Amino acid sequence: DVKVTQSSRYLVKRTGEKVFLECVQDMDHENMFWYRQDPGLGLRLIYFSYDVKMKEKGDIPEGYSVSREKKERFSLILESASTNQTSMYLCASQGGNGNEQFFGPGTRLTVL
Amino acid sequence: GEDVEQSLFLSVREGDSSVINCTYTDSSSTYLYWYKQEPGAGLQLLTYIFSNMDMKQDQRLTVLLNKKDKHLSLRIADTQTGDSAIYFCAESMPGGYQKVTFGTGTKLQVIP
Repeated sequence: DVKVTQSSRYLVKRTGEKVFLECVQDMDHENMFWYRQDPGLGLRLIYFSYDVKMKEKGDIPEGYSVSREKKERFSLILESASTNQTSMYLCASQGGNGNEQFFGPGTRLTVL
Repeated sequence: GEDVEQSLFLSVREGDSSVINCTYTDSSSTYLYWYKQEPGAGLQLLTYIFSNMDMKQDQRLTVLLNKKDKHLSLRIADTQTGDSAIYFCAESMPGGYQKVTFGTGTKLQVIP
């Protein structure tokens, strides 16, 4: 079974703090994604990566950065957290020739 | 650009059929998907249909695709309480990594 794990299920941070969200997949997938999920807005793509050290902006990259130093790990970084970044963050991975995305359980981040 | 729309809520009685609808705008989509998100979990692929098909059946699930109207539906026969979840419609576009655009999600509530 494909497994995508995220470092935390729940996280509470203060405005201005630097936040790291980690995602690890065990299927040697080339592509990895970070989404945020908000009620009524569905999933919105923040950043994705199709190879180690490669990254591409998604639809809402502002306020975020990412890092992919190893194939299995894709990190989302909030340089200076703000209250409007309170959300559910979902990581996904996808094989290079596949189309299904496999999702982690999500991290619910609250920024106070 | 791509836009995928769904109604936000659907309520059905246990044993009835549920029909969840989705409209999309990009006629170049290659695959259309239905993902299920149970409470507190990430998304899991339920089923998908290739864009040159008009119907796919998988046990209690029937997917109908009307390419002319850019309309996708998911019918769940004999809906059970375990089917209560958020259902996301998604489309993928041709490209190196198969970019996927998700809809807003439909929350299905099954009343016992």
